[in-house]
Formats: sequence, structure tokens, C-alpha cells
Amino acid sequence: GQQVMQIPQYQHVQEGEDFTTYCNSSTTLSNIQWYKQRPGGHPVFLIQLVKSGEVKKQKRLTFQFGEAKKNSSLHITATQTTDVGTYFCAGRTGNQFYFGTGTSLTVIP
Amino acid sequence: NAGVTQTPKFQVLKTGQSMTLQCAQDMNHEYMSWYRQDPGMGLRLIHYSVGAGITDQGEVPNGYNVSRSTTEDFPLRLLSAAPSQTSVYFCASSLQASVSGANVLTFGAGSRLTVL
Repeated sequence: GQQVMQIPQYQHVQEGEDFTTYCNSSTTLSNIQWYKQRPGGHPVFLIQLVKSGEVKKQKRLTFQFGEAKKNSSLHITATQTTDVGTYFCAGRTGNQFYFGTGTSLTVIP
Repeated sequence: NAGVTQTPKFQVLKTGQSMTLQCAQDMNHEYMSWYRQDPGMGLRLIHYSVGAGITDQGEVPNGYNVSRSTTEDFPLRLLSAAPSQTSVYFCASSLQASVSGANVLTFGAGSRLTVL
């Protein structure tokens, strides 16, 4: 069945360092979405990528969708303590969303 | 707008007991879904619905039932709770599932369930 894997599972960085999480799907995706979940909270939508090779930026966050539409990445430049949380990718096939296992980011001040 | 409302926030059950997790949205969303979140497993889809009267199974449907009698409500029923169902449950909705731009998921605050 559909599988969406994310690496790494955990990442600790010093404040100001960069951070990247990678998302890989076993099948081609219609689109990819990214969500952020703060500790104790619920997932909140960040962005959606639809086109092959698409790159989108939100301030210090850069999102990429692979050419084959089977992988994606989220890169944060110069992390801040407000970036703490778990980042999930989610791929859609038909009416089902498949979430990655998530990357938990800790930012050390 | 309240968004997606889940109740209860916390629940402790004994093995074999039944209960219903409630989910309501006031955004006129056609698509509603239930996920469970376990450490290291991400969010796994239990059941989903693309509209009133229509439900379907996700990745991990065993032990759970759903119904969708109205657009607003999508309750999740555990008929005979088991310790393996200890988890955090999230309800999420979107305007539609299959239309890019209309399929952004809005999550409820979650329900933490412990089965002893």
C-alpha cells in the first residue's frame, strides 16, 4: 500500500543553523502538502505543491516537489526557537491523504 | 466560525467499553476524516467521508465505525475498546478532497484516549 516516509525522525539544531526534512512516497502523488504541529497542538497547514519540480518559499522556509512527484523537501534557513515542532508531509492519492512519519525539530537557543 | 470541534479532549476507558468521539465542523466542508497519531507513526487515516451519507475506510479502520448523517458531523465509534487503541485522535476536514486549492485540511484540537 501507499507509504510516505520522512527523514530524519528527529533533528536538534542550534538556533541560527539550517534544517531540512525529506519526504519520499512509494507512489506518484497528485500533490504534496506540508503541516506543522507545535508540541501539544494539532497539525496546521503550511503549503501545498502541485506541479512537478515546483519550488515555493515562505520567508525562511523553502519547499520543493520532486520532478517525479514522489518526493519533497522542506528547508528552513537560520532556524529560530519559534520553528520548534513536528513537520509532516502529506500526499494525496484519490480521496486519501497519506501523512509522513514526521520530523521533530528542536531548536537550542 | 469555530472550525473543527472535537469532544472529549481526554478520555480513559476500560478494555471492552464503547465510546464515541465527536467531530463537528461549521465550514460547510464536504470532506471529513479521522486520524490517529502514535509516536513514530505519524498520522494514519482511519475513515473518511466525501459527503453526507458516504463513508470509506482508510489505512487502519479495524475496530472503528463511522457515519455521516449530516454535512457538519462525523462521529468515530469504538465498539469494544482495546489497549492498542490508546492514541491521540484528530478529526480533519476540507472543502473537498480531490480539488487542489480546496483540499487543505483543517484539524481539530485532538482527543487523547487511554484504554486500560
